[in-house]
Amino acid sequence: NAGVTQTPKFQVLKTGQSMTLQCAQDMNHEYMSWYRQDPGMGLRLIHYSVGAGITDQGEVPNGYNVSRSTTEDFPLRLLSAAPSQTSVYFCASSFRQGAPGANVLTFGAGSRLTVL
Amino acid sequence: SQQGEEDPQALSIQEGENATMNCSYKTSINNLQWYRQNSGRGLVHLILIRSNEREKHSGRLRVTLDTSKKSSSLLITASRAADTASYFCATDVGPGTYKYIFGTGTRLKVLA
Repeated sequence: NAGVTQTPKFQVLKTGQSMTLQCAQDMNHEYMSWYRQDPGMGLRLIHYSVGAGITDQGEVPNGYNVSRSTTEDFPLRLLSAAPSQTSVYFCASSFRQGAPGANVLTFGAGSRLTVL
Repeated sequence: SQQGEEDPQALSIQEGENATMNCSYKTSINNLQWYRQNSGRGLVHLILIRSNEREKHSGRLRVTLDTSKKSSSLLITASRAADTASYFCATDVGPGTYKYIFGTGTRLKVLA
């Protein structure tokens, strides 16, 4: 099983450029989410989804868009990158609440983004 | 704002010793989890404790939860060099919220 796959692993952008971080899971998880990790800040929730067509905001959603057209994929879009978005981004997924194994998040390996 | 905060921020111990790290959170929770992150990697789930549980064990891990104090502790017994990592607590504030909030982490270094 691949688990949660994130691409790219590393990316350098210039201020104002746009890009999409990809996340795919092959575990039939209904719940998917994006976090950013900054030194001394821990992980902060950006956006999450509880199923195809359903998304919601987390703690720090500004500057990011998401969509969930399939159960497997949950891309994170930066429309106009800013230096403050320099971070390591993690995608995580789990079964829906109430299902066996729910709440336990499986994380991807991370995507390191630098915005110059 | 962070729901959970770990204490201490960093901990250095000798191999074979026990490591204890603490997590405090702000609001009522449904459950609390602990995750480990090795340098440069994603987080890996260690253990989940529900709000109606007080203690849980998994191998060399022991987790306690005190909902009256809004705190949890993770004890790693007989630590090994391979336990060197950052440890995070994560809480969800209730069924249906789907917002898992992580603390700032404890960096554990186990010296061989």
